[in-house]
Amino acid sequence: KAGVTQTPRYLIKTRGQQVTLSCSPISGHRSVSWYQQTPGQGLQFLFEYFSETQRNKGNFPGRFSGRQFSNSRSEMNVSTLELGDSALYLCASSFGQFGNTEAFFGQGTRLTVV
Amino acid sequence: QKEVEQDPGPLSVPEGAIVSLNCTYSNSAFQYFMWYRQYSRKGPELLMYTYSSGNKEDGRFTAQVDKSSKYISLFIRDSQPSDSATYLCAMSAGGNNRLAFGKGNQVVVIP
Repeated sequence: KAGVTQTPRYLIKTRGQQVTLSCSPISGHRSVSWYQQTPGQGLQFLFEYFSETQRNKGNFPGRFSGRQFSNSRSEMNVSTLELGDSALYLCASSFGQFGNTEAFFGQGTRLTVV
Repeated sequence: QKEVEQDPGPLSVPEGAIVSLNCTYSNSAFQYFMWYRQYSRKGPELLMYTYSSGNKEDGRFTAQVDKSSKYISLFIRDSQPSDSATYLCAMSAGGNNRLAFGKGNQVVVIP
């Protein structure tokens, strides 16, 4: 069974640009959550989608947005990039929606903003 | 106060030793507890998943949860150099899939 696939693995963008990251969950999983990982803050929750609906959002500015498609694939978008957005962006895939099933992570997309 | 506290270490142990990691938390609603292992430049890999208080063992790994003390632990027996990684604790209150993470504990097992 294929795991969680995130593309691209690496990105370099310039300040002010926007970026779109993609996540394909494990087959059959309908929940996708996104996290930002930095050395200083660790893993911080961005948002969660289940059946194309955003169910939760973390404490991030509106420049961070996401969506989920009918096949459960998800994208997150960051507009007007800032240097501080440089991080490893991780998505997690879960079968259920109530936090009572395991969350499996992809390898992440490493975003560097210059 | 952060929801989840985890001493970032690093922790160096000789091969074969027992590694002991722990996290404390402040949110009494947490009821699902996880440990992840993350190698450099990789995504977190789920090691242990437990519900409520008690112990769970899987091979060389044992997870303990003490909800009364808001304290969870991970023990790694007979540690190997391949166990060298960052270990992250995570927890959830349920109702949704939002996880709160500790900052991670870097472990180095010296051959």
